[in-house]
Amino acid sequence: AQKITQTQPGMFVQEKEAVTLDCTYDTSDQSYGLFWYKQPSSGEMIFLIYQGSYDEQNATEGRYSLNFQKARKSANLVISASQLGDSAMYFCAMREGVDSSASKIIFGSGTRLSIRP
Amino acid sequence: EAQVTQNPRYLITVTGKKLTVTCSQNMNHEYMSWYRQDPGLGLRQIYYSMNVEVTDKGDVPEGYKVSRKEKRNFPLILESPSPNQTSLYFCASRPRIPGDRVTGELFFGEGSRLTVL
Repeated sequence: AQKITQTQPGMFVQEKEAVTLDCTYDTSDQSYGLFWYKQPSSGEMIFLIYQGSYDEQNATEGRYSLNFQKARKSANLVISASQLGDSAMYFCAMREGVDSSASKIIFGSGTRLSIRP
Repeated sequence: EAQVTQNPRYLITVTGKKLTVTCSQNMNHEYMSWYRQDPGLGLRQIYYSMNVEVTDKGDVPEGYKVSRKEKRNFPLILESPSPNQTSLYFCASRPRIPGDRVTGELFFGEGSRLTVL
């Protein structure tokens, strides 16, 4: 069965430092997609970045990059030059079967990131 | 503006009083889903629908019902709410895969915070 594990319930980081949020996944499928979402204190879910299992390069979106290590089944989110506005809950998620309309997305338990000024 | 709209955003009710949380999306998405978010557990899928009149159980369907009579609407029904259904609920949608969007990320509503006394 597919599973997402985020082992860091909470993190504190100094402003302007880079931060890595850990995510490991478990799946027996060869085709899957990995996502990161941000949830600020206002509660909405904001899509940040996506990595397909067949993508050879790590995904990047502005200050966000996904450190994808397929053999280790990890998909860590790296935020460069952190800002106060990055303080939020971050969720890692996975969808098995990239090409399947029936595929559901499962979520990890989340990491609460706090940026110190 | 492309969006998923949930109502109500906040609700306090009492045990056993039937309630419905509405969800509507204007992006012509085939797939819609309901999640609940609880501290330490991340988001767990309640029900999903791949298209009109097609619904299926997610991981935590007990105590909930859904319907999909129109493509844009996917209401969540709590026939007899209980305190353990106190939670933050999210409706989400995405287009059919494969489709125009390669990533297939979920688009979320703003969330509905439900308290059952």
